Amino acid sequence: SQQGEEDPQALSIQEGENATMNCSYKTSINNLQWYRQNSGRGLVHLILIRSNEREKHSGRLRVTLDTSKKSSSLLITASRAADTASYFCATDAFALSEGNQGGKLIFGQGTELSVKP
Amino acid sequence: EAQVTQNPRYLITVTGKKLTVTCSQNMNHEYMSWYRQDPGLGLRQIYYSMNVEVTDKGDVPEGYKVSRKEKRNFPLILESPSPNQTSLYFCASSKRKVETQYFGPGTRLLVL
Repeated sequence: SQQGEEDPQALSIQEGENATMNCSYKTSINNLQWYRQNSGRGLVHLILIRSNEREKHSGRLRVTLDTSKKSSSLLITASRAADTASYFCATDAFALSEGNQGGKLIFGQGTELSVKP
Repeated sequence: EAQVTQNPRYLITVTGKKLTVTCSQNMNHEYMSWYRQDPGLGLRQIYYSMNVEVTDKGDVPEGYKVSRKEKRNFPLILESPSPNQTSLYFCASSKRKVETQYFGPGTRLLVL
């Protein structure tokens, strides 16, 4: 089952606008990560936020984490056409189960962001 | 240059013909992982490895095998490929488990 689920599935905005994507997850986590993928290519890491952090910034990116609601959001400010991509959240499965070693990393289905010039 | 490489990048094969997709990283990372990406399903983890000789199942391990004999290499083996294994496959590595993942460029596999 998917741990992380992004919302919305697709988002279309104009250049200069802000884009907000949300991620919900189900179990306790050590950290949550956001990745970006340009069509058909490998994912690129954007930002990692730990479970004891509430907000983190990196350039035009702002990530928040609410562990009580088991949710995170990624905000891209002043978007550019080059930000057009799919964005994924990923969480570690904190709880050990069925003998696994706690090394699972679970990705959501992603949000497709389209930024129109 | 720090990177994760995968080979081949594209592969067309037939049902039942064993194949191996190689993955190599030059960053001395302990953790390596394989994912498949399918439309509407996002990325799903197939297998991961916490270190040499330590591997474990991800969410969709059926029909796949892996090995980790050396720290830098983590091949994905399909003993008897089937059409439902047609997918885009990614290898990734990180310094430690579930930290920042560095992804390879992907392998597009078509099983006829």
